[in-house]
Amino acid sequence: GESVGLHLPTLSVQEGDNSIINCAYSNSASDYFIWYKQESGKGPQFIIDIRSNMDKRQGQRVTVLLNKTVKHLSLQIAATQPGDSAVYFCAEIAGSNYKLTFGKGTLLTVNP
Amino acid sequence: NAGVTQTPKFQVLKTGQSMTLQCAQDMNHNSMYWYRQDPGMGLRLIYYSASEGTTDKGEVPNGYNVSRLNKREFSLRLESAAPSQTSVYFCASTVSYEQYFGPGTRLTVT
Repeated sequence: GESVGLHLPTLSVQEGDNSIINCAYSNSASDYFIWYKQESGKGPQFIIDIRSNMDKRQGQRVTVLLNKTVKHLSLQIAATQPGDSAVYFCAEIAGSNYKLTFGKGTLLTVNP
Repeated sequence: NAGVTQTPKFQVLKTGQSMTLQCAQDMNHNSMYWYRQDPGMGLRLIYYSASEGTTDKGEVPNGYNVSRLNKREFSLRLESAAPSQTSVYFCASTVSYEQYFGPGTRLTVT
């Protein structure tokens, strides 16, 4: 069936470095993509989203890139901080009921 | 605003017992969702309610029932709990693409 997956399950970076988290998706009908951050013991928190008719969107210290040709999504975090340590999920939406399909997640660890 | 609240935070059940997980939101959102999250996994949709009075199955509905009591509240019921239902359960609500999640209920079935 259709799925959203991640290339790397863990990522360890030094404080101040830039982080890149990748995600592959397979549903070409998805029209919306979202990155969520989940800290230990908490629910997922929205970070940034991108529509399928865009290839780049920037937020505060975060950028999402979408490559529909290869069905690839990435999240870039600039100047990574210890507070960025968490599990990051990509998710996709296809259809009008806003149902999310989540990938498995990447654990980001920021070393001081 | 409290956002999305869930009760209880933790629960231990024996196989065959029943229970209801409660979820409420105070953001006047139309759509509400129940997910489960297993260790090392992303969230999987159990049931959702696009609006008050409607419910639909998600990816993993077997063993669960839901009730959209009113616009604010969406409950998830396990009629006969099984060890395979040990998981963390998250409720979410939305009026658009951004879903707001509750803090989760950690359920263990022994």
